[in-house]
Amino acid sequence: QSALTQPASVSGSPGQSITISCTGTSSDVGGYNYVSWYQQHPGKAPKLIIYEVSNRPSGVSNRFSGSKSGNTASLTISGLQAEDEADYFCSSYTSSSTRVFGTGTQVTVL
Amino acid sequence: EVQLVESGGGLVQPGGSLRLSCTASAFTVSSNYMTWVRQAPGKGLEWVSVIYSGGSTYYADSVKGRFTISRDNSKNTLYLRMNSLRAEDTAVYFCARDSGYAFSDYWGQGTLVTVSS
Repeated sequence: QSALTQPASVSGSPGQSITISCTGTSSDVGGYNYVSWYQQHPGKAPKLIIYEVSNRPSGVSNRFSGSKSGNTASLTISGLQAEDEADYFCSSYTSSSTRVFGTGTQVTVL
Repeated sequence: EVQLVESGGGLVQPGGSLRLSCTASAFTVSSNYMTWVRQAPGKGLEWVSVIYSGGSTYYADSVKGRFTISRDNSKNTLYLRMNSLRAEDTAVYFCARDSGYAFSDYWGQGTLVTVSS
């Protein structure tokens, strides 16, 4: 049950697009379309922003999009805004019926 | 409005036990998959355990054999019994509703567990 690998930090200027990667194995990310992404502001509970690789819950901005290729999933934030500054975590279902989170990425808006 | 409220956190000595509770509103715990996730201070999220609507349970290797997830249908409450606690179990523990497709759409505010002598 090793954590999925994410870059520790990603930054961008307002209006730019950034992409966060999430790399696992064929036993988790690569094996299932059950990858989700969460946004977490300091001191707050995580918030679901993408589920099943590329679906957005109601109320989540369409600036957030998700995709997957092989064992790597990606979250793209387009039109970066100051409010997007937060930590982002990916998660996947695993072949053991457990779940696993990514190591987390801190997004900074320059 | 869906709401999850955790309680039961606190300071406990190494080797001690604690039971966390998570009371749900506006949906039925027993009809849903429910999960516990923890976050050590300044660290990332770590998945801990899930209970399926049918009663099956699964655990992270780091807590297997020490933690037990359960629910009380009459109280619409999810529990996490934690035994043989270690310093590395210190974290904020969140309960969340798991969709059944391994994503959590509703989260509680978390309860802090500190394991220290």
